[in-house]
Amino acid sequence: DAMVIQNPRYQVTQFGKPVTLSCSQTLNHNVMYWYQQKSSQAPKLLFHYYDKDFNNEADTPDNFQSRRPNTSFCFLDIRSPGLGDAAMYLCATSEGYNEQFFGPGTRLTVL
Amino acid sequence: AQSVSQHNHHVILSEAASLELGCNYSYGGTVNLFWYVQYPGQHLQLLLKYFSGDPLVKGIKGFEAEFIKSKFSFNLRKPSVQWSDTAEYFCAVNGAGGSQGNLIFGKGTKLSVKP
Repeated sequence: DAMVIQNPRYQVTQFGKPVTLSCSQTLNHNVMYWYQQKSSQAPKLLFHYYDKDFNNEADTPDNFQSRRPNTSFCFLDIRSPGLGDAAMYLCATSEGYNEQFFGPGTRLTVL
Repeated sequence: AQSVSQHNHHVILSEAASLELGCNYSYGGTVNLFWYVQYPGQHLQLLLKYFSGDPLVKGIKGFEAEFIKSKFSFNLRKPSVQWSDTAEYFCAVNGAGGSQGNLIFGKGTKLSVKP
């Protein structure tokens, strides 16, 4: 089945230690998104790639970076995680700006 | 500012009861509207969507939603819920015409259905 895959499902890191979350897709969609979802809150878009074009949301901290080496993969890099960055990170894809398909998420714990 | 409001944080129903979850949005311009569902331990899945045309849209598993432009609303309904509908439901909006990628979500409504 075509799908959006996120690895790992659970990630524990230490305060200030860089961490990378991974997303891959078999849908061949041209748009990939990263969302942050904290407990009891709505998912919040951090940034997205439209093809190779990176689109950062205005209020996304510089601590968060992303890479998309090819159509299938997209990475979220958190350079110096703080306690406030503990959250569920959701990857999604779409063909153009249409219906988005979500992965299962990676739950990040910062110690 | 663009926003989505979901009126209920947690709804508890018995099986066979009718369901209506409220969603109101604030967004300049023409919109696309979505309801996503997240079953326990699973990822967000699209329940239904409205892009244009008939304002009453039908989705999977017997759900439907009605877009009322004058009220900026897109309420989700199901005539008879089942225990398996226990999940969290998110309303979301983005700009129509494929102009914007930013999908704005509501905070979600947790639905618990008692068997």
